[in-house]
Amino acid sequence: AQTVTQSQPEMSVQEAETVTLSCTYDTSESDYYLFWYKQPPSRQMILVIRQEAYKQQNATENRFSVNFQKAAKSFSLKISDSQLGDAAMYFCAYRDTSGTYKYIFGTGTRLKVLA
Amino acid sequence: DTEVTQTPKHLVMGMTNKKSLKCEQHMGHRAMYWYKQKAKKPPELMFVYSYEKLSINESVPSRFSPECPNSSLLNLHLHALQPEDSALYLCASSQGQGLFFGSGTQLSVL
Repeated sequence: AQTVTQSQPEMSVQEAETVTLSCTYDTSESDYYLFWYKQPPSRQMILVIRQEAYKQQNATENRFSVNFQKAAKSFSLKISDSQLGDAAMYFCAYRDTSGTYKYIFGTGTRLKVLA
Repeated sequence: DTEVTQTPKHLVMGMTNKKSLKCEQHMGHRAMYWYKQKAKKPPELMFVYSYEKLSINESVPSRFSPECPNSSLLNLHLHALQPEDSALYLCASSQGQGLFFGSGTQLSVL
């Protein structure tokens, strides 16, 4: 069975600095998707970034980028120029392409941004 | 603004009540989901409707029952809930490349 692990329950970053959130996963599949979701205090779940496993190039969305290491089964999220609005819970998620349409979430990392 | 709309945003109900949560998506997605989320925890999958087939998380009690009137609508019927069912209920839709969530219904069972 697939699993997703986020080993950092909480992280802090100074405003304007860079922070990296870690995620590892376990799967025997070769084709799958990985995601990072942000959940601010409003509790709205927002898709931050998506990575397709067959693509070697790391995904980037403005200040958010990932470091996808397929062999190591690692999928970290880097937030550059951190802003107060980045403070939230961040969840890593996995979906394989077997057609089940089921997503597996990690336990989350709470990010605090210090002014 | 989210393209997945959930109503109501807040719901307080007694243990003998029957209520329904509603979800509508306008993105043409063929899969819709109900998740339950407790504070500081990840969302837990309850049900998936994918291409008109229902998949159930077998740990979900029968006091929760989903209904999918069409590919854009997904309801969650609630009956005889327990206080431990108090949580945020999230609806989501997907076409396979990510979940798109509604803003949730915060449910309190008294």
